[in-house]
Amino acid sequence: GAGVSQSPSNKVTEKGKDVELRCDPISGHTALYWYRQSLGQGLEFLIYFQGNSAPDKSGLPSDRFSAERTGGSVSTLTIQRTQQEDSAVYLCASSPGQGRFEKLFFGSGTQLSVL
Amino acid sequence: AQRVTQPEKLLSVFKGAPVELKCNYSYSGSPELFWYVQYSRQRLQLLLRHISRESIKGFTADLNKGETSFHLKKPFAQEEDSAMYYCALADSSYKLIFGSGTRLLVRP
Repeated sequence: GAGVSQSPSNKVTEKGKDVELRCDPISGHTALYWYRQSLGQGLEFLIYFQGNSAPDKSGLPSDRFSAERTGGSVSTLTIQRTQQEDSAVYLCASSPGQGRFEKLFFGSGTQLSVL
Repeated sequence: AQRVTQPEKLLSVFKGAPVELKCNYSYSGSPELFWYVQYSRQRLQLLLRHISRESIKGFTADLNKGETSFHLKKPFAQEEDSAMYYCALADSSYKLIFGSGTRLLVRP
């Protein structure tokens, strides 16, 4: 494929609404990451999927955040009852998942604005 | 727990001046470190990784285990180096943790 694809590229929502962000990783990549990028906070780790292993959810900021990865490919990040502080760019990345030395391939992100 | 610290939010230099972007890490195991870069309106991408010991676009980074540092250096900055730079550490589960980033501004 062309690379990691994220949709939508921009999402404007009202406070209290739920949103779903989608990530299509590079075909064959077993590792998939979600990060949140905001001014002053840098790149904040959210969740990490590696093959069939249980995901590492240690970065999810609250129980309003969840993510799943269906069939080892597409992933969806869901934010329930959005708050204004959730406004940020949500980045997805994937890698082959063969070792610590690999580089991550990033998507172009979803800009989320909560009004 | 592992942590990556980039103490400078913004670094401004003139073209031709040397650049050093600081990165310190905290990790109990053997670290695997990276520098990623995001140019304006482009995707975040790998610049270089510790294991490769390479020089990319004139940038180098040396792992100093004694000082737990992995500073990024370039002897002569160019305007096209202006970007956001992130230091990152991969732990034993391959999870990649990033620092808060440093914005490099190279002035003409």
